[in-house]
Amino acid sequence: DTEVTQTPKHLVMGMTNKKSLKCEQHMGHRAMYWYKQKAKKPPELMFVYSYEKLSINESVPSRFSPECPNSSLLNLHLHALQPEDSALYLCASSQGDRGFDQPQHFGDGTRLSIL
Amino acid sequence: ILNVEQSPQSLHVQEGDSTNFTCSFPSSNFYALHWYRWETAKSPEALFVMTLNGDEKKKGRISATLNTKEGYSYLYIKGSQPEDSATYLCALLGSSNTGKLIFGQGTTLQVKP
Repeated sequence: DTEVTQTPKHLVMGMTNKKSLKCEQHMGHRAMYWYKQKAKKPPELMFVYSYEKLSINESVPSRFSPECPNSSLLNLHLHALQPEDSALYLCASSQGDRGFDQPQHFGDGTRLSIL
Repeated sequence: ILNVEQSPQSLHVQEGDSTNFTCSFPSSNFYALHWYRWETAKSPEALFVMTLNGDEKKKGRISATLNTKEGYSYLYIKGSQPEDSATYLCALLGSSNTGKLIFGQGTTLQVKP
């Protein structure tokens, strides 16, 4: 079982809906990440949080809004998404207490479909 | 733009065969190299994080080597088993060490019983 828990596992939403993806870890990790993965492609970084502060935003459209309410929780708020946003969204965490050269622990992902 | 390349793209071997694949990266922009195994319907699993030139790491039947001067890493699997079937991803952490991993396209390994 993965130590990073993502909910929901599947999400179908219309282009006008607002929904949120949730990611939780209880390993005491201080770095958390959101990735987007399209079929047959590697994961692409979207956001990095370090010590609950946003440290990287990979020029992600504003219809994706990340939030880190505490050190264990990472959310991704979705609004007015486009069909091309349909993908697997992966959350990951790493120790993050001395940089980023420690392994990342991934959740199982949320499979998002935009109608 | 950093480019990480993996070869081959896919590999089919028989149970018991040993196999290896390559990850190439720009040697001028290196902080660390990660290897992950991603089985279908599961989450990516970290295998190794390598930082030192000449480093060699081992986990069971899987090992990896690193050459930062020429910009490549090899992953070896000794005596492949069907449960080794997965996509193996390498990812470069650039010299700025910001947390951004650049993933290669992956090598998909299929081990036939």
